[in-house]
Amino acid sequence: AQSVSQHNHHVILSEAASLELGCNYSYGGTVNLFWYVQYPGQHLQLLLKYFSGDPLVKGIKGFEAEFIKSKFSFNLRKPSVQWSDTAEYFCAVNAGNDYKLSFGAGTTVTVRA
Amino acid sequence: GAVVSQHPSWVICKSGTSVKIECRSLDFQATTMFWYRQFPKQSLMLMATSNEGSKATYEQGVEKDKFLINHASLTLSTLTVTSAHPEDSSFYICSARGPTHSPLHFGNGTRLTVT
Repeated sequence: AQSVSQHNHHVILSEAASLELGCNYSYGGTVNLFWYVQYPGQHLQLLLKYFSGDPLVKGIKGFEAEFIKSKFSFNLRKPSVQWSDTAEYFCAVNAGNDYKLSFGAGTTVTVRA
Repeated sequence: GAVVSQHPSWVICKSGTSVKIECRSLDFQATTMFWYRQFPKQSLMLMATSNEGSKATYEQGVEKDKFLINHASLTLSTLTVTSAHPEDSSFYICSARGPTHSPLHFGNGTRLTVT
């Protein structure tokens, strides 16, 4: 069974700092990878996704993620965070053409002005 | 261990029948629960948001008479797919949180296949 690990439970940053959130998964085959964000009081929104092709994926709001197959990782990055990036971030994986989605435990990001 | 239990994890039903999916928060009171569905090669689609004791808020395009959501207690929300058709075959997942600023937890999802 696939599983997803997010390394950080809570990250606190100052504005303009760089952000990197780790995500590792355990599944040996073809995977589809997602990062979702949930802002306070809202529902999940898709930040970016990887199905195939260029392993460096650019998403909305200046986020990007890099798929490193050899490391089973899909880390999320943003060079310079803003206060409005305060949210919960979830990494999710499904295997190949399956649509069972597995989520990581989430990382709460707090950006201080 | 799991803090949100979703049941069943897998169900096959015939067209025209109804299927109920349960989402339970195991060790916290879930004031808000979200229901999503996922199709292959797509991202999650929010179906509805339910708050305990009130009617669910459905997203545009989601038939509320077909996807009945009941959040009758602080630990249980149910999604009933009524008169299921093959196009309802999908992966349904719930998430739940307690009071404001508490963590969001996901169920393990339910794979529904309608034959």
